[in-house]
Amino acid sequence: TQLLEQSPQFLSIQEGENLTVYCNSSSVFSSLQWYRQEPGEGPVLLVTVVTGGEVKKLKRLTFQFGDARKDSSLHITAAQPGDTGLYLCAGETDKLIFGTGTRLQVFP
Amino acid sequence: SQTIHQWPATLVQPVGSPLSLECTVEGTSNPNLYWYRQAAGRGLQLLFYSVGIGQISSEVPQNLSASRPQDRQFILSSKKLLLSDSGFYLCAWTDNDYNSPLHFGNGTRLTVT
Repeated sequence: TQLLEQSPQFLSIQEGENLTVYCNSSSVFSSLQWYRQEPGEGPVLLVTVVTGGEVKKLKRLTFQFGDARKDSSLHITAAQPGDTGLYLCAGETDKLIFGTGTRLQVFP
Repeated sequence: SQTIHQWPATLVQPVGSPLSLECTVEGTSNPNLYWYRQAAGRGLQLLFYSVGIGQISSEVPQNLSASRPQDRQFILSSKKLLLSDSGFYLCAWTDNDYNSPLHFGNGTRLTVT
């Protein structure tokens, strides 16, 4: 069974702090996607990384795909209350496998 | 532009009753369609996917079934609900390109009492 473990499971921080969310697996993925989900809604795609070592930036969010394409990280700089939500990574092999999720709460 | 509609948003059903959740996609043709279930605040479990009309693949054997009667319509059903069927059900679509991202509906919160 392919597993994608995310850490931490929960994160509660003050506005302005930095944070990193990790997504790890023993499987190699052809690509990895990051989604954010708000309560009562479906997840929304943030980014897709495809190449080992690839780094993508989306404003204050930085996504990195591990060199071996088994892991990924999401770093948020100067977090804001609007960043609050559930962050999900999803790795693609012959199917898309979702991670266990990281729930982020940013307090003003 | 493409849109996905999923209804109802919330549903409370007694144990043993039938279930029908509907999902439709607009603005695209021959999408891949998916039903996921999400445990409270956690990752998503793929239940069914379909690459075309009448073509259904089941990922997890359980008390549910899916049908695709039209190109852009995907239905999740059960003949008799169990308590364990409670959860947040999400419909999603992708186009047929490799690495195409999932586009999700807003989900249905099902409570079986």
